[in-house]
Order: sequence, then C-alpha cells, then structure tokens
Amino acid sequence: IAGITQAPTSQILAAGRRMTLRCTQDMRHNAMYWYRQDLGLGLRLIHYSNTAGTTGKGEVPDGYSVSRANTDDFPLTLASAVPSQTSVYFCASSEAGDAAPYGYTFGSGTRLTVV
Amino acid sequence: GQNIDQPTEMTATEGAIVQINCTYQTSGFNGLFWYQQHAGEAPTFLSYNVLDGLEEKGRFSSFLSRSKGYSYLLLKELQMKDSASYLCAVRDSNYQLIWGAGTKLIIKP
Repeated sequence: IAGITQAPTSQILAAGRRMTLRCTQDMRHNAMYWYRQDLGLGLRLIHYSNTAGTTGKGEVPDGYSVSRANTDDFPLTLASAVPSQTSVYFCASSEAGDAAPYGYTFGSGTRLTVV
Repeated sequence: GQNIDQPTEMTATEGAIVQINCTYQTSGFNGLFWYQQHAGEAPTFLSYNVLDGLEEKGRFSSFLSRSKGYSYLLLKELQMKDSASYLCAVRDSNYQLIWGAGTKLIIKP
C-alpha cells in the first residue's frame, strides 16, 4: 500500500518513560516531517529531514529527537515523556523539500497520552 | 512573527456554497496550500496556489491574492461528507509550511 505507515495508532505512556514513534514511507520521498496537532492550534513542526542522513529542528523540537538512516524511515523519540507531550503526532513526506506543488502526504497519526 | 488566520468554525447548508477565508503574514511566500481533515483522520491535500488568481478543481476552488496576503477556499454544492476541518498553510522563505489552526465546517441538511 503506497503511503505512510505510523505505529502505534495510539499509546498511553507513563511520564518519564522513553518512547519511539515509528514512521515508514514507500513513496521514495526525499523529505519527511514530524508534526504535533493540538486542539485549537495549527500543526506544529517538531523535526524534519530534507534527505536521508540529514535532520533539522522545527518550531517545537525540545524533548524530541529524530534520525534518518535511510529514505524510508523517520522515527521520532521522546527521551523522557512529560504530560505536555500529550498530542496527536503526524508524520508526513513530500517529493522535495522546496518547490513541490503537490503538498504533503500524511500518515494516519499516533494519538499519545502521557500520564 | 508568522501568522495564519482562519475562522474557527462555520456552518452551511447541504447544497449551498461556502467560502472559507485565510489571511497570512509570513516571512516570504512560496505557495499556499489547502488541506481537508476529517475528524480523527490525517489531513489530505486539496489545492495549491502560488500565483494570484483562482484555481478550480471540481466542486472546490481556491483563490490567492499575494498583495493582500489573502486566500479563500470555495466549496460548491455542499455535501454532508464535506463536514471536516479545512487547513490553510503557507510555505515561507525557508520552504517550511506554516499552518493555520483550521476551520471546522459543519454541514446541516
């Protein structure tokens, strides 16, 4: 199935625990992104990667880390979860990091609750 | 700072026409996107404008005025399945997408 796969779909996590959200795409897109979406706020960029081997910080990177070892995978790690990281997390990809007119393709999201 | 403004919520009647406005103030401009997001689902791409004017795609049209920092999404012949949130996003000078909070559109029979 062409697209982006995120796992898990949802998770309840104890504060202080470490967790990795998985994201895999099979479209051979160069650019990948992690967003969080909170009620009443727009999508906020956490980290991005314009190509395999490179990553960059977005608007809200604190408490999160990413890696991009290959084109397909872009995992997001919460080193020590806090309740303010309760959110819906979306992974997205695009053909190019700059002028792509086709927009982003999004995964189905991970609903994370930190208690 | 960078800012995207959209109405929080709108209500319209099935079969009617609705216009969802978006105003933006960003550091640079490299295109504007509209996405649709049904409750509990991922956003899906609707339209892209980079030049001034109207882009039509079936029942949906999107308009852009770069000088006014303004766009709208026009939905015609509304159907119940159009009930969703509509997100406006602008790509800035660094080619990063800046997102509005979205407009929740409620369609009534």
